[in-house]
Amino acid sequence: NAGVTQTPKFQVLKTGQSMTLQCAQDMNHEYMSWYRQDPGMGLRLIHYSVGAGITDQGEVPNGYNVSRSTTEDFPLRLLSAAPSQTSVYFCASSYARRTSGNTIYFGEGSWLTVV
Amino acid sequence: EDQVTQSPEALRLQEGESSSLNCSYTVSGLRGLFWYRQDPGKGPEFLFTLYSAGEEKEKERLKATLTKKESFLHITAPKPEDSATYLCAVHSGGSYIPTFGRGTSLIVHP
Repeated sequence: NAGVTQTPKFQVLKTGQSMTLQCAQDMNHEYMSWYRQDPGMGLRLIHYSVGAGITDQGEVPNGYNVSRSTTEDFPLRLLSAAPSQTSVYFCASSYARRTSGNTIYFGEGSWLTVV
Repeated sequence: EDQVTQSPEALRLQEGESSSLNCSYTVSGLRGLFWYRQDPGKGPEFLFTLYSAGEEKEKERLKATLTKKESFLHITAPKPEDSATYLCAVHSGGSYIPTFGRGTSLIVHP
């Protein structure tokens, strides 16, 4: 059981370059999300999705795009990388029940450096 | 707006020195309070879910408790391998999105 798989693990980009962080889950979860984690800032939600074809913005969406064409995959695109986007990125997934708490499962993280 | 505050930000213990981490929260209709452990260079890993005041859950040296305003993660006789960042999150009614605290960084010295 793979859980939540993120690629790549590490990436160095030059300012202005674009790239896509891949995320896949095999638990048939409706809810998927992307967080960034910076020292002293905790986890900040970038974008999330509650099902295929449905996405919405989180707390810090600027400079990032997402799409959800299948239940399994939720890629995060950096349109024009900036040094402020240097961070570690986590993909997460869960069931999407409104009536009870949903355990979130996280990927191992993607470390991005923009120079 | 849901809020989660964790304290202390950092905690250093000697091996065997028991202590507690605090997670204070304000939510509109608590659906679940979650504790996660995060090791350096890894993603957060689920530990416990608590649903109602008075509930307790245990796992090895960890015990999580819940009141209407806060949760405690009690660590009994910790070992160096318990060193990690512990995150608390709440899930409120009507929302898919959990609210995370900033975490407590625990270091246990041998």
